[in-house]
Amino acid sequence: KQEVTQIPAALSVPEGENLVLNCSFTDSAIYNLQWFRQDPGKGLTSLLLIQSSQREQTSGRLNASLDKSSGRSTLYIAASQPGDSATYLCAPRGDDKIIFGKGTRLHILP
Amino acid sequence: GAGVSQSPSNKVTEKGKDVELRCDPISGHTALYWYRQSLGQGLEFLIYFQGNSAPDKSGLPSDRFSAERTGGSVSTLTIQRTQQEDSAVYLCASSKTLDGYTFGSGTRLTVV
Repeated sequence: KQEVTQIPAALSVPEGENLVLNCSFTDSAIYNLQWFRQDPGKGLTSLLLIQSSQREQTSGRLNASLDKSSGRSTLYIAASQPGDSATYLCAPRGDDKIIFGKGTRLHILP
Repeated sequence: GAGVSQSPSNKVTEKGKDVELRCDPISGHTALYWYRQSLGQGLEFLIYFQGNSAPDKSGLPSDRFSAERTGGSVSTLTIQRTQQEDSAVYLCASSKTLDGYTFGSGTRLTVV
């Protein structure tokens, strides 16, 4: 059974800093890994999707890496902004449904 | 449609009543998922439909919960005899087989 751990659970940093969110998962037999953000009271918005054959994906100030064999992924956010404040969830995808971890709650201080 | 549509967006119901939540997935997406998120908690898997296969119901918390997917498209999640602990946001997602998920905005259910 897949287990997903995200570290840290919560993070507060001043605006402008670069930061890294970590995700580890126990079952490396995945097809892809997706990073989402969730704003309070809202649904999930997909940020990046990395296929299992890829090592990283970039979108604007976001860069996600995947080390499938070690069961790790990182989300790098450059030049953080207050609008980046949200909960970030990583979602490794195996044969069927995604089991989510508890996410990292990020607060960017203006 | 362009995205996953869920209705209603908010539902307040009295304890003991039945409720139906609807999810309209992206056209062409063969897989459909229901998750639940209680206040301050993570996402809890409920049920998963993939094409014409039997659904994976392993996450349904009790036999008061059921879901169906008609014609491989729209899905309805039904909660019978609602309890206060059923209060949560119910999220639906769809995907092409083994592709990324797209989530709807959710239905906030409040049982009073």
